Amino acid sequence: DQQVKQNSPSLSVQEGRISILNCDYTNSMFDYFLWYKKYPAEGPTFLISISSIKDKNEDGRFTVFLNKSAKHLSLHIVPSQPGDSAVYFCAATGAGSYQLTFGKGTKLSVIP
Amino acid sequence: DTGVSQNPRHKITKRGQNVTFRCDPISEHNRLYWYRQTLGQGPEFLTYFQNEAQLEKSRLLSDRFSAERPKGSFSTLEIQRTEQGDSAMYLCASSLVSGVRSTQYFGPGTRLTVL
Repeated sequence: DQQVKQNSPSLSVQEGRISILNCDYTNSMFDYFLWYKKYPAEGPTFLISISSIKDKNEDGRFTVFLNKSAKHLSLHIVPSQPGDSAVYFCAATGAGSYQLTFGKGTKLSVIP
Repeated sequence: DTGVSQNPRHKITKRGQNVTFRCDPISEHNRLYWYRQTLGQGPEFLTYFQNEAQLEKSRLLSDRFSAERPKGSFSTLEIQRTEQGDSAMYLCASSLVSGVRSTQYFGPGTRLTVL
């Protein structure tokens, strides 16, 4: 079963507007969540993370929100730029393991 | 460049052949991870090392797969008797143990095509 789900395979946003990428998880033992960005033919690049003891973490244009009761997290990118166009992966870890469990990704297209 | 490096970047092989990939982690990182990614999926965990000890293996890591990290620095992933289903991107990541959780940084990957 899929423990980390990204239900939107793709998202298109106008340049300058907000991009919101969503992620849901089922394993209540996950305690650390990460977002990665991936361009074709490259490895994932770390963007931002959040621990389960927080509900928000900001880094420049990127903010991650965590709602533990809903088992939901989201990544906000403001303002969106054409260079943000990539596949974004949500990942989670915990439950006594150091492995990352990834969602299937959301392809973000930022239209100039 | 002080990031994670992987070699080769691309490998094409015939079914039944053995292949070996190499990963060089970020120099001060003591944990090293291997993942596999197929089209339309997120990366899937294969195994990880802390220094030279292999501490966790996924059920995806069949007996045809073996990973080593002999001196706690670089790592190799070998696939014996390759099958077409092994075609995928093989990703290596490393992290530094610091506190309860640490961020994994990925290399560019090795793209394997089995004909």
